[in-house]
Amino acid sequence: GDSVTQMEGPVTLSEEAFLTINCTYTATGYPSLFWYVQYPGEGLQLLLKATKADDKGSNKGFEATYRKETTSFHLEKGSVQVSDSAVYFCALSDSGAGSYQLTFGKGTKLSVIP
Amino acid sequence: NAGVTQTPKFQVLKTGQSMTLQCAQDMNHEYMSWYRQDPGMGLRLIHYSVGAGITDQGEVPNGYNVSRSTTEDFPLRLLSAAPSQTSVYFCASSLLGGGGNQPQHFGDGTRLSIL
Repeated sequence: GDSVTQMEGPVTLSEEAFLTINCTYTATGYPSLFWYVQYPGEGLQLLLKATKADDKGSNKGFEATYRKETTSFHLEKGSVQVSDSAVYFCALSDSGAGSYQLTFGKGTKLSVIP
Repeated sequence: NAGVTQTPKFQVLKTGQSMTLQCAQDMNHEYMSWYRQDPGMGLRLIHYSVGAGITDQGEVPNGYNVSRSTTEDFPLRLLSAAPSQTSVYFCASSLLGGGGNQPQHFGDGTRLSIL
């Protein structure tokens, strides 16, 4: 079945540091890939997405590129802020049966300190 | 637009009690789903629906029932609560189409404790 593996947290960075959160996936079909963010006490929000190989999703300074050859979708940001402190989830939606179901990674908690 | 609204936000139950978690969306989304979030487990799909009158099981359906009588509402029922159902529950909705690339919109969650 489909699965998503993302780096374990928690990750603690100083403000303005570079962020990378690794995400790899396995899928039976041709998935769409997503990053969701969860701020404390809130539900998940879509951060960015990519639907085909070599697509780059971007939003709020975050970027991730759909790499089919390495089955990866790593999240990056050049300069993090305290307001980026949250839990980040990598997820996929497979183009096969049940294509509207999201399969999530376990989440990576990011803490940014001033 | 309110988006996806979940009620209640917090609930404490005793083992064996029943309750219904409410979920409503005002975006005319066909697809609705329920997830539970547990520490170190990410989000796991409980049940989902692709339209009124149509529901199906996800990864962890045991102990939960759902129904979809309208496009807007998708309640989740616990018939006999167990401590293993202590979790944070999220409802989500999205449009259908696009081969699954439609983003899902999440509610703020219901924090449920079973004693």
